[in-house]
Amino acid sequence: AQSVAQPEDQVNVAEGNPLTVKCTYSVSGNPYLFWYVQYPNRGLQFLLKYITGDNLVKGSYGFEAEFNKSQTSFHLKKPSALVSDSALYFCAVRLYGSSNTGKLIFGQGTTLQVKP
Amino acid sequence: GAGVSQSPRYKVTKRGQDVALRCDPISGHVSLYWYRQALGQGPEFLTYFNYEAQQDKSGLPNDRFSAERPEGSISTLTIQRTEQRDSAMYRCASSSGQAWNTEAFFGQGTRLTVV
Repeated sequence: AQSVAQPEDQVNVAEGNPLTVKCTYSVSGNPYLFWYVQYPNRGLQFLLKYITGDNLVKGSYGFEAEFNKSQTSFHLKKPSALVSDSALYFCAVRLYGSSNTGKLIFGQGTTLQVKP
Repeated sequence: GAGVSQSPRYKVTKRGQDVALRCDPISGHVSLYWYRQALGQGPEFLTYFNYEAQQDKSGLPNDRFSAERPEGSISTLTIQRTEQRDSAMYRCASSSGQAWNTEAFFGQGTRLTVV
C-alpha cells in the first residue's frame, strides 16, 4: 500500500536558523512528490513538487526540497527560517500511471514553530 | 474564479439530516477532487472527477456519501443521514488537465459539525 510518513509531529527552530521537515514515502511505482502548507483558517497552499530531473527542487517562499530515491525521502528545507513560516506542513505523493486517477496521498502533517 | 471556492465555510447539522457541500473549482480546471480531513490528520481522498465523469470514488466511506459534477464545473458532495463521525473538514481541490505532474489547488474547506 502507498503511504507517506512525516515522523515529526512538531519541529521547533529559532528564527534565522535552517529548518528541515522530514518526509518519507512508500510506493510501488514512480512517485510525484508535493509539499503543501496550511496556515490557520486557510486552505492548503502548494509549495513545491518533484516530478523528474534535479533532485533539489525550489519552491515558494524560499523553500526547497531534496528527493532521495535510495532513502525514499523528500525532506523540506529552508536555509533561514522566518517566524511567518510557522504553520502546518504536509507532504504528499501522487502515483503516476493510467490506472491511477492522480489522487494525492498525504502524510499526517508536521507543525513548524519558528521562535523569534 | 480566482481560486477554488467552497460553501458553506461552516455547517452545523443535527444527526440524521442530509447536507450538501459545494465546490466551485478554478475556471477551466478539468480535474476535481474531494478530500476529508480529520483534526490532526492529513487530508484523505474521497472522490475524483474528470470533467463531469466520476472516475474514482474509492475513498467514499459508505453509501451515505455521494458526489456529482453534472456540467463539469461545480461539484456537490452530499452526505445523507449524517452521523457524528462525519464531523470533519471537507476540502475540494482542482487541477488543470489530467497530467499527474500538475499541482492541485485547494479551497478553504467546509467545516462540518454533526451534533
